[in-house]
Amino acid sequence: NAGVTQTPKFQVLKTGQSMTLQCAQDMNHNSMYWYRQDPGMGLRLIYYSASEGTTDKGEVPNGYNVSRLNKREFSLRLESAAPSQTSVYFCASTWTGRGGGYTFGSGTRLTVV
Amino acid sequence: SQQGEEDPQALSIQEGENATMNCSYKTSINNLQWYRQNSGRGLVHLILIRSNEREKHSGRLRVTLDTSKKSSSLLITASRAADTASYFCATAAQIYSGGGADGLTFGKGTHLIIQP
Repeated sequence: NAGVTQTPKFQVLKTGQSMTLQCAQDMNHNSMYWYRQDPGMGLRLIYYSASEGTTDKGEVPNGYNVSRLNKREFSLRLESAAPSQTSVYFCASTWTGRGGGYTFGSGTRLTVV
Repeated sequence: SQQGEEDPQALSIQEGENATMNCSYKTSINNLQWYRQNSGRGLVHLILIRSNEREKHSGRLRVTLDTSKKSSSLLITASRAADTASYFCATAAQIYSGGGADGLTFGKGTHLIIQP
């Protein structure tokens, strides 16, 4: 099993450019999440999708949009990138209801110049 | 805002010694989880303890939970060089019966270094 796959692994954007981070899981999980991690910080939740067809804001949603394309895929879009969005982005998934652990992707390192 | 706060922020010990990390949190939880992150990698789930449990073991890992003090500890016994990593506690809120549908809240982590 591949688990959670994120693409791309690295990206450099200029201020004002847009891009979409892709995430796919093959574990039939119902809930998916996008986090960002900044130096010396834990992970902060950007958006989540508790089930297919629903999305909700997390702690730091400003400047981002998401799409739960189907049960497997959950994308994160930056419409107009800003230097403050320089970070490492992690996608995660879990089967809510079983109260189990989350499976994380390997991350996307994004630099906005 | 950060729910969990790990202590210490950094810990350096000799290989073979035991490592203990602590986590405090602020609100009621359904469960508390510990994750490991190797440098430049994603997080790996280590162990989950539910709010009605007090202690749990998994291999060389031992986790305790004290809901009255809103705190947890992670003990790694007989440490190895491969245990060098950052360790995060994360809490799942008591919203859904399974906990965690609205995401985990992470602390800032403890950076553990095992000296050979």
